[in-house]
Amino acid sequence: NAGVTQTPKFQVLKTGQSMTLQCAQDMNHEYMSWYRQDPGMGLRLIHYSVGAGITDQGEVPNGYNVSRSTTEDFPLRLLSAAPSQTSVYFCASSYSRSRYSYEQYFGPGTRLTVT
Amino acid sequence: ILNVEQSPQSLHVQEGDSTNFTCSFPSSNFYALHWYRWETAKSPEALFVMTLNGDEKKKGRISATLNTKEGYSYLYIKGSQPEDSATYLCASTNYGGATNKLIFGTGTLLAVQP
Repeated sequence: NAGVTQTPKFQVLKTGQSMTLQCAQDMNHEYMSWYRQDPGMGLRLIHYSVGAGITDQGEVPNGYNVSRSTTEDFPLRLLSAAPSQTSVYFCASSYSRSRYSYEQYFGPGTRLTVT
Repeated sequence: ILNVEQSPQSLHVQEGDSTNFTCSFPSSNFYALHWYRWETAKSPEALFVMTLNGDEKKKGRISATLNTKEGYSYLYIKGSQPEDSATYLCASTNYGGATNKLIFGTGTLLAVQP
């Protein structure tokens, strides 16, 4: 298994540009999520999905869109990049069944700089 | 939004020392508490998932305890080694949300000097 993969690893955008961060997993996990990591802030949840066709907002959703058309893929879209979105982005996945909480598997991260 | 707090922010110990960190979380509507180990330039990796009050889990020299009534968890490392150097993250999830919707603390950075 490749686990959780993310592309690209690095990206530089200009303010106002849009782009999509890709995330895929091959473990048949129902639950997928996006986090951003900023110095002194820890990991903050942007959006998450409990299965194909179902998404919901996390702590810091503004400026980001997600969709979940398949179990495997969970792309994160930046609609109009701003310098405040400069961060490292992690995608994670886990099993998701009622009454259980499962460990999350993280991707390698995408380092995004917005100038 | 849950408020998960970890202390201390950072810790420097000598090889062979035993150490522990604290994670505090809201005890109301508690569902599960996760611990992750995060090495520099890598991704976080799961250590433990705990749900029951009084839970104790162990993996090698690392162990964790959980008190859901007072809202805290301790992570212990016995006989620290340089390879234990990492940031240790805890995360909590509560009823009313997705069972794996985690809110993370800011982590404890451990540096073990040989």
